[in-house]
Amino acid sequence: AQKITQTQPGMFVQEKEAVTLDCTYDTSDQSYGLFWYKQPSSGEMIFLIYQGSYDEQNATEGRYSLNFQKARKSANLVISASQLGDSAMYFCAMRVEETSYDKVIFGPGTSLSVIP
Amino acid sequence: ETGVTQTPRHLVMGMTNKKSLKCEQHLGHNAMYWYKQSAKKPLELMFVYNFKEQTENNSVPSRFSPECPNSSHLFLHLHTLQPEDSALYLCASSQDLRGDYEQYFGPGTRLTVT
Repeated sequence: AQKITQTQPGMFVQEKEAVTLDCTYDTSDQSYGLFWYKQPSSGEMIFLIYQGSYDEQNATEGRYSLNFQKARKSANLVISASQLGDSAMYFCAMRVEETSYDKVIFGPGTSLSVIP
Repeated sequence: ETGVTQTPRHLVMGMTNKKSLKCEQHLGHNAMYWYKQSAKKPLELMFVYNFKEQTENNSVPSRFSPECPNSSHLFLHLHTLQPEDSALYLCASSQDLRGDYEQYFGPGTRLTVT
C-alpha cells in the first residue's frame, strides 16, 4: 500500500538551531515524487520543497533541504537556522501515478515549535 | 487577488441547511482539487477536476456536490451534512494533473456542522 509515515507528532527546536523532520514512504512505483508542505495556524498549506525519485542530488530551497535516501525510503526535511515563524505543522507528501492523474498522498504531519 | 482564494473562511451550518464553498485560482492552472482535513487525520482527497471535467470522485458521499464551471472556479455544494463532516476544507490547484507540479492551496474553509 502507498503510505507516508511521520513518526514525530511534535518537535521543539531552539531558535537559530537546525531541526530534522522525519518522513518515510512506502510505494512499489519506480517513478514518484516527494513534497514537504508547511501549514501555519492560519490553515493555508505552503509548498516548501520537492524531490523526484530519479533526482540524484538532494533538493535544497533556501533554509530547507531534503535528505533523500531512496534505499531506505526516507525523505527527511532539514530546516537550518530555525526562526520563530517556522512554528507550524509540516506535512510530507508523495506523488504517485494513478490511471488518469497523479495523486498526492499526505502524511499525518509533525507539529514544530520554535523556542526563543 | 493572487494565488488561490476560498470563501467563506468560516461556516457554521445546521444539518438541514444548504450552503456552498467557493474556490478561485488566479494562477492559470488546469487542475483543481478539493481536500478534507479532519482533526488527527491526514488530508483526504475528495475531488479532482481538469479543464472543468471531473477526473476523480474519491468515494465521497453524495451530500457533497462539486461544480467546476470553468478552469478558474470550483465550488463545493453542501446539503444535509452530518456532524462528522465538520473539518477544514482546502481547495488546491496545479499546473496539470500529471508531472512534477506542486499544488497551491487556498486558506481553507473551517466548517462546523451543528
